[in-house]
Amino acid sequence: GAVVSQHPSRVICKSGTSVKIECRSLDFQATTMFWYRQFPKQSLMLMATSNEGSKATYEQGVEKDKFLINHASLTLSTLTVTSAHPEDSSFYICSARRPLTSNQPQHFGDGTRLSIL
Amino acid sequence: AQTVTQSQPEMSVQEAETVTLSCTYDTSESDYYLFWYKQPPSRQMILVIRQEAYKQQNATENRFSVNFQKAAKSFSLKISDSQLGDAAMYFCAYRYDNTDKLIFGTGTRLQVFP
Repeated sequence: GAVVSQHPSRVICKSGTSVKIECRSLDFQATTMFWYRQFPKQSLMLMATSNEGSKATYEQGVEKDKFLINHASLTLSTLTVTSAHPEDSSFYICSARRPLTSNQPQHFGDGTRLSIL
Repeated sequence: AQTVTQSQPEMSVQEAETVTLSCTYDTSESDYYLFWYKQPPSRQMILVIRQEAYKQQNATENRFSVNFQKAAKSFSLKISDSQLGDAAMYFCAYRYDNTDKLIFGTGTRLQVFP
């Protein structure tokens, strides 16, 4: 079964709305989670690394004030797209890895399709 | 900086036949991991196979196997006895041993014809 849960799976909202996406590790504690963005027919691009109890680390070119990340507990990271505009429409995916398993791959959530009208 | 290149935007194969997807990468590191992920239309990311760079033996998972050429920085995926359910986007990914960051290639869309 799924070990990383992402919610919601689909969001359609008006321009200017802020949208929150949740990523949960279901049966393990994740001190680090990752947020990716995928445009249609393109690859996944890492946006930021979410660190439990500290500030997220953003990749170059990603606006931290636009994409707010909060990792308040060991099983939950949230990504908030603030004042979303049509160009923010994309597929957002989170991932996490079980701790102390450096040789194991990450587990991905099922993704969130965000559509801004 | 590490990069991952998939030179085949699209590939097609007949059911029951074999297909090979190419991936090359660039890195100055010696310890790293390589992955192939499958993304069907549902957009889920499904791990197909992984390879540790320190292992010389090529990884195999049932009908999926890799040809890992470390010196050439090549990591191709071979799918044997292709099935209709194998149709998807396939992404090659690199992870440096010391971090969790995954760097993805641009993907190859695989079509499987009956």
